Amino acid sequence: DAGVIQSPRHEVTEMGQEVTLRCKPISGHDYLFWYRQTMMRGLELLIYFNNNVPIDDSGMPEDRFSAKMPNASFSTLKIQPSEPRDSAVYFCASSSNGATYEQYFGPGTRLTVT
Amino acid sequence: AQSVTQPDIHITVSEGASLELRCNYSYGATPYLFWYVQSPGQGLQLLLKYFSGDTLVQGIKGFEAEFKRSQSSFNLRKPSVHWSDAAEYFCSGGYQKVTFGTGTKLQVIP
Repeated sequence: DAGVIQSPRHEVTEMGQEVTLRCKPISGHDYLFWYRQTMMRGLELLIYFNNNVPIDDSGMPEDRFSAKMPNASFSTLKIQPSEPRDSAVYFCASSSNGATYEQYFGPGTRLTVT
Repeated sequence: AQSVTQPDIHITVSEGASLELRCNYSYGATPYLFWYVQSPGQGLQLLLKYFSGDTLVQGIKGFEAEFKRSQSSFNLRKPSVHWSDAAEYFCSGGYQKVTFGTGTKLQVIP
Protein backbone atom coordinates (compact mmCIF):
# COMPACT_ATOMS: atom_id res chain seq x y z
CA ASP A 1 0.00 0.00 0.00
CA ALA A 2 1.50 3.33 -1.06
CA GLY A 3 2.16 5.91 1.59
CA VAL A 4 2.04 9.65 1.18
CA ILE A 5 3.76 10.64 -2.05
CA GLN A 6 5.53 13.94 -2.50
CA SER A 7 7.18 15.42 -5.54
CA PRO A 8 9.71 16.58 -6.30
CA ARG A 9 12.05 15.20 -3.64
CA HIS A 10 14.53 17.97 -4.25
CA GLU A 11 14.03 21.39 -5.77
CA VAL A 12 16.65 24.04 -6.41
CA THR A 13 15.44 27.34 -7.72
CA GLU A 14 16.49 30.95 -7.95
CA MET A 15 15.05 33.72 -5.88
CA GLY A 16 11.93 35.16 -7.44
CA GLN A 17 10.87 31.98 -9.20
CA GLU A 18 7.62 30.18 -8.56
CA VAL A 19 7.85 26.84 -6.78
CA THR A 20 5.12 24.21 -6.66
CA LEU A 21 5.28 21.26 -4.32
CA ARG A 22 2.93 18.33 -4.78
CA CYS A 23 1.39 15.77 -2.48
CA LYS A 24 -0.76 12.70 -2.88
CA PRO A 25 -2.25 11.57 0.44
CA ILE A 26 -3.03 8.02 1.42
CA SER A 27 -6.23 6.88 -0.22
CA GLY A 28 -9.19 7.25 2.13
CA HIS A 29 -7.54 9.81 4.37
CA ASP A 30 -9.59 12.97 4.69
CA TYR A 31 -7.11 15.21 6.48
CA LEU A 32 -4.05 16.64 4.78
CA PHE A 33 -1.33 18.69 6.44
CA TRP A 34 1.57 20.75 5.11
CA TYR A 35 4.60 21.28 7.35
CA ARG A 36 7.88 23.11 7.02
CA GLN A 37 10.98 21.95 8.85
CA THR A 38 14.09 24.05 9.43
CA MET A 39 16.93 23.87 11.90
CA MET A 40 15.98 27.20 13.40
CA ARG A 41 12.23 26.79 13.73
CA GLY A 42 11.75 23.03 13.86
CA LEU A 43 8.57 21.51 12.47
CA GLU A 44 5.88 24.10 11.71
CA LEU A 45 2.34 23.39 10.61
CA LEU A 46 1.54 25.62 7.65
CA ILE A 47 -2.00 24.61 6.73
CA TYR A 48 -4.33 21.68 6.93
CA PHE A 49 -7.37 20.51 4.99
CA ASN A 50 -10.36 18.40 5.87
CA ASN A 51 -12.33 16.90 2.99
CA ASN A 52 -10.43 19.17 0.59
CA VAL A 53 -11.42 22.33 2.48
CA PRO A 54 -8.74 24.47 4.17
CA ILE A 55 -9.46 24.50 7.88
CA ASP A 56 -6.55 26.37 9.38
CA ASP A 57 -3.99 28.35 7.41
CA SER A 58 -2.72 30.40 10.33
CA GLY A 59 0.73 28.92 9.90
CA MET A 60 1.19 30.12 6.35
CA PRO A 61 4.05 32.61 6.63
CA GLU A 62 2.80 35.24 4.20
CA ASP A 63 0.86 35.85 1.03
CA ARG A 64 3.63 34.39 -1.06
CA PHE A 65 2.50 30.98 0.12
CA SER A 66 -0.70 29.35 -1.09
CA ALA A 67 -2.08 25.83 -0.91
CA LYS A 68 -4.85 24.07 -2.73
CA MET A 69 -6.54 20.71 -2.62
CA PRO A 70 -8.64 20.34 -5.77
CA ASN A 71 -9.61 16.76 -4.96
CA ALA A 72 -9.13 14.09 -2.32
CA SER A 73 -6.00 12.70 -3.91
CA PHE A 74 -3.94 15.78 -4.67
CA SER A 75 -2.67 18.93 -3.03
CA THR A 76 -0.19 21.63 -3.94
CA LEU A 77 1.83 24.14 -1.97
CA LYS A 78 2.96 27.08 -4.04
CA ILE A 79 5.50 29.76 -3.24
CA GLN A 80 5.51 32.81 -5.50
CA PRO A 81 7.92 34.52 -5.53
CA SER A 82 10.39 32.34 -3.67
CA GLU A 83 13.06 33.76 -1.37
CA PRO A 84 16.22 32.23 0.13
CA ARG A 85 14.58 32.13 3.58
CA ASP A 86 12.03 29.69 2.18
CA SER A 87 14.75 27.05 1.96
CA ALA A 88 13.57 24.15 4.10
CA VAL A 89 12.18 20.65 3.97
CA TYR A 90 8.46 20.64 3.31
CA PHE A 91 6.43 17.67 4.49
CA CYS A 92 2.97 16.58 3.60
CA ALA A 93 1.06 14.31 5.96
CA SER A 94 -2.38 12.74 5.92
CA SER A 95 -4.69 11.19 8.45
CA SER A 96 -8.12 9.62 8.64
CA ASN A 97 -11.00 10.96 10.72
CA GLY A 98 -11.34 7.93 12.91
CA ALA A 99 -10.69 9.99 16.03
CA THR A 100 -7.12 8.80 15.91
CA TYR A 101 -5.35 11.86 14.52
CA GLU A 102 -2.16 9.95 13.92
CA GLN A 103 -0.47 11.34 10.85
CA TYR A 104 1.38 9.60 8.07
CA PHE A 105 4.19 11.64 6.62
CA GLY A 106 5.62 11.74 3.16
CA PRO A 107 9.37 11.73 2.55
CA GLY A 108 9.50 15.50 2.17
CA THR A 109 10.67 17.94 -0.48
CA ARG A 110 13.98 19.64 0.17
CA LEU A 111 13.73 23.14 -1.26
CA THR A 112 16.77 25.29 -1.83
CA VAL A 113 16.29 28.85 -3.02
CA THR A 114 19.49 30.57 -4.17
CA ALA B 1 -1.09 27.85 25.20
CA GLN B 2 -1.69 24.22 24.45
CA SER B 3 1.58 22.52 23.62
CA VAL B 4 4.03 19.73 24.14
CA THR B 5 7.55 20.32 25.42
CA GLN B 6 10.64 18.21 24.94
CA PRO B 7 13.20 19.54 27.40
CA ASP B 8 16.17 17.61 26.00
CA ILE B 9 17.56 18.80 22.68
CA HIS B 10 20.25 16.15 22.44
CA ILE B 11 20.86 12.88 24.29
CA THR B 12 23.75 10.45 24.00
CA VAL B 13 23.50 6.86 25.22
CA SER B 14 25.68 3.81 24.88
CA GLU B 15 24.48 0.92 22.78
CA GLY B 16 22.69 -1.56 25.02
CA ALA B 17 21.85 1.03 27.65
CA SER B 18 18.31 2.03 28.52
CA LEU B 19 16.72 5.16 27.13
CA GLU B 20 14.12 7.62 28.35
CA LEU B 21 13.08 10.67 26.33
CA ARG B 22 10.96 13.23 28.09
CA CYS B 23 7.78 14.88 26.91
CA ASN B 24 5.48 17.17 28.88
CA TYR B 25 2.13 18.38 27.68
CA SER B 26 0.02 21.38 28.51
CA TYR B 27 -3.65 20.87 27.66
CA GLY B 28 -6.87 21.39 29.53
CA ALA B 29 -7.89 17.77 29.21
CA THR B 30 -6.01 14.62 28.29
CA PRO B 31 -4.98 15.05 24.68
CA TYR B 32 -4.14 12.45 22.13
CA LEU B 33 -0.40 11.91 22.43
CA PHE B 34 2.08 10.52 19.96
CA TRP B 35 5.74 9.78 19.53
CA TYR B 36 7.35 9.91 16.09
CA VAL B 37 10.85 9.10 14.90
CA GLN B 38 12.69 10.79 12.05
CA SER B 39 15.76 9.24 10.52
CA PRO B 40 18.08 11.52 8.53
CA GLY B 41 16.58 12.51 5.18
CA GLN B 42 13.27 10.85 5.93
CA GLY B 43 9.80 11.79 7.00
CA LEU B 44 8.39 11.17 10.44
CA GLN B 45 7.24 7.68 11.35
CA LEU B 46 4.72 6.97 14.08
CA LEU B 47 6.16 4.95 16.97
CA LEU B 48 3.15 4.82 19.27
CA LYS B 49 0.04 6.68 20.37
CA TYR B 50 -2.08 7.18 23.47
CA PHE B 51 -5.74 8.11 23.59
CA SER B 52 -7.10 6.56 26.77
CA GLY B 53 -7.06 3.37 28.79
CA ASP B 54 -3.89 1.59 29.76
CA THR B 55 -1.29 4.23 30.56
CA LEU B 56 1.60 2.09 29.35
CA VAL B 57 1.61 1.99 25.58
CA GLN B 58 3.64 -0.36 23.45
CA GLY B 59 4.93 0.73 20.08
CA ILE B 60 7.04 -0.45 17.23
CA LYS B 61 10.78 -1.13 17.36
CA GLY B 62 10.63 -2.10 21.04
CA PHE B 63 9.59 1.35 22.29
CA GLU B 64 7.04 2.06 24.97
CA ALA B 65 5.67 5.20 26.57
CA GLU B 66 3.92 5.86 29.84
CA PHE B 67 1.21 8.46 30.30
CA LYS B 68 1.33 10.09 33.74
CA ARG B 69 -1.51 12.51 34.32
CA SER B 70 -0.12 13.73 37.64
CA GLN B 71 3.10 14.80 35.93
CA SER B 72 1.58 15.84 32.58
CA SER B 73 4.16 13.62 30.97
CA PHE B 74 4.36 11.06 28.21
CA ASN B 75 7.94 9.80 28.28
CA LEU B 76 9.32 7.40 25.71
CA ARG B 77 11.42 4.45 26.86
CA LYS B 78 13.41 1.60 25.47
CA PRO B 79 15.18 -0.98 27.66
CA SER B 80 18.17 -1.54 25.37
CA VAL B 81 19.17 0.88 22.64
CA HIS B 82 20.53 -0.26 19.30
CA TRP B 83 22.82 1.79 17.06
CA SER B 84 19.99 1.95 14.52
CA ASP B 85 17.88 3.92 17.01
CA ALA B 86 20.01 7.00 16.40
CA ALA B 87 17.52 9.53 15.02
CA GLU B 88 15.42 12.49 16.05
CA TYR B 89 12.34 11.84 18.16
CA PHE B 90 9.28 14.05 18.27
CA CYS B 91 6.49 14.09 20.79
CA SER B 92 3.19 15.52 19.64
CA GLY B 93 -0.22 16.05 21.12
CA GLY B 94 -3.58 17.63 20.62
CA TYR B 95 -6.94 16.90 19.13
CA GLN B 96 -7.87 17.89 15.61
CA LYS B 97 -4.77 20.03 15.34
CA VAL B 98 -1.72 18.52 16.92
CA THR B 99 1.40 20.37 17.89
CA PHE B 100 4.88 18.95 17.79
CA GLY B 101 7.67 19.33 20.26
CA THR B 102 11.03 20.64 19.15
CA GLY B 103 12.51 17.16 18.97
CA THR B 104 15.28 15.27 20.76
CA LYS B 105 18.26 14.05 18.79
CA LEU B 106 19.50 10.70 19.99
CA GLN B 107 23.11 9.72 19.49
CA VAL B 108 24.13 6.12 20.17
CA ILE B 109 27.77 5.38 20.92
CA PRO B 110 29.40 1.95 20.78
